[in-house]
Amino acid sequence: EAGVAQSPRYKIIEKRQSVAFWCNPISGHATLYWYQQILGQGPKLLIQFQNNGVVDDSQLPKDRFSAERLKGVDSTLKIQPAKLEDSAVYLCASSGGGTGELFFGEGSRLTVL
Amino acid sequence: SQQGEEDPQALSIQEGENATMNCSYKTSINNLQWYRQNSGRGLVHLILIRSNEREKHSGRLRVTLDTSKKSSSLLITASRAADTASYFCATDLDRGSTLGRLYFGRGTQLTVWP
Repeated sequence: EAGVAQSPRYKIIEKRQSVAFWCNPISGHATLYWYQQILGQGPKLLIQFQNNGVVDDSQLPKDRFSAERLKGVDSTLKIQPAKLEDSAVYLCASSGGGTGELFFGEGSRLTVL
Repeated sequence: SQQGEEDPQALSIQEGENATMNCSYKTSINNLQWYRQNSGRGLVHLILIRSNEREKHSGRLRVTLDTSKKSSSLLITASRAADTASYFCATDLDRGSTLGRLYFGRGTQLTVWP
């Protein structure tokens, strides 16, 4: 079974530039999450999708972050414009089958200079 | 603020020793999960314990849950150098919803020396 795929793995940009991250969850998983993990901290939930609908985006900085999951499968997280404090690893996870377990991708590491 | 907090922040032991990590949380939960993260990698699910369970085992892992104290512990027995990683507890809050939403602590960095 293929795992959660994320790209790119690494991205370096200058502040005020934009960046997009892509995630393809495990086939059949209805729930998709984006987490932000700053160095030395635990993952912080940014947004949760159930199929193509947003369940929770209360911690998403909506003035600069956006996310979509148009067909209920893969998802894109965009940051525009980026700030220095956005430097972090962006983790995508999916879940399905009612087990409660999350399956994570390898993450996309963003460095904002 | 973080829902769960792990203790200690860092733990250094020799191979063969047992490692114990603790997690405290603030509000009622549906379940509590432990994840492992190797440096530069994604998180891997280790074990899930439901709010009506008190203890669970999986291989060399033993997890306990005390809902009255809002705390959990993860015990790794006979540790190996390959167990070196960060360990996170994550709580699925009891909000009357079936849709899981996990809140992670800051993690415990475990180093196992050969």
